[in-house]
Amino acid sequence: AQTVTQSQPEMSVQEAETVTLSCTYDTSESNYYLFWYKQPPSRQMILVIRQEAYKQQNATENRFSVNFQKAAKSFSLKISDSQLGDTAMYFCAFKFTSGTYKYIFGTGTRLKVLA
Amino acid sequence: KAGVTQTPRYLIKTRGQQVTLSCSPISGHRSVSWYQQTPGQGLQFLFEYFSETQRNKGNFPGRFSGRQFSNSRSEMNVSTLELGDSALYLCASSPTGQNTEAFFGQGTRLTVV
Repeated sequence: AQTVTQSQPEMSVQEAETVTLSCTYDTSESNYYLFWYKQPPSRQMILVIRQEAYKQQNATENRFSVNFQKAAKSFSLKISDSQLGDTAMYFCAFKFTSGTYKYIFGTGTRLKVLA
Repeated sequence: KAGVTQTPRYLIKTRGQQVTLSCSPISGHRSVSWYQQTPGQGLQFLFEYFSETQRNKGNFPGRFSGRQFSNSRSEMNVSTLELGDSALYLCASSPTGQNTEAFFGQGTRLTVV
């Protein structure tokens, strides 16, 4: 069965600094998708970044980038120039490319950006 | 384009009652998924509907059911509510469900007393 593990329940970072959130997963699939979602206090899950497993190049979206290590089954999220609005729960998620279209989520990392 | 809309936002029910939650997906999206979020279990997949058919189902008891209408709007129903059903219920929509990310609503906070 697929599992997603986020080993950091809580983290904090100073405004304008860089922080890295960790995520590991377990699967026997060779092709899949990985995502980072952000859930602020408003509760709405917002897509931060997405990575296709067949792409070797790490995805980037403005201040957000990932370090995707397929062999190690690791998918960390780096937030550069942290802003107060980045304060939220961050969930790492795995998704199959076929068959079942559900997300498998990690337990989340609560990130607090300090002024 | 309007986002995913879930109603109601908050709900308080008594044990043994039943409840229906509603989700209106983004226009043009035909796949709707439901997730239960609790502090203890995290985010767990309930079911996914596509073109009015349940395509995938999670590991939840039969008290949890859903349906999708021809306009892609979806409802989920929980019968014989238990205290443990207290949770945030999130709905997500996507064009097809496959190969695309989902867009989430703000959820319905259900409290069972």
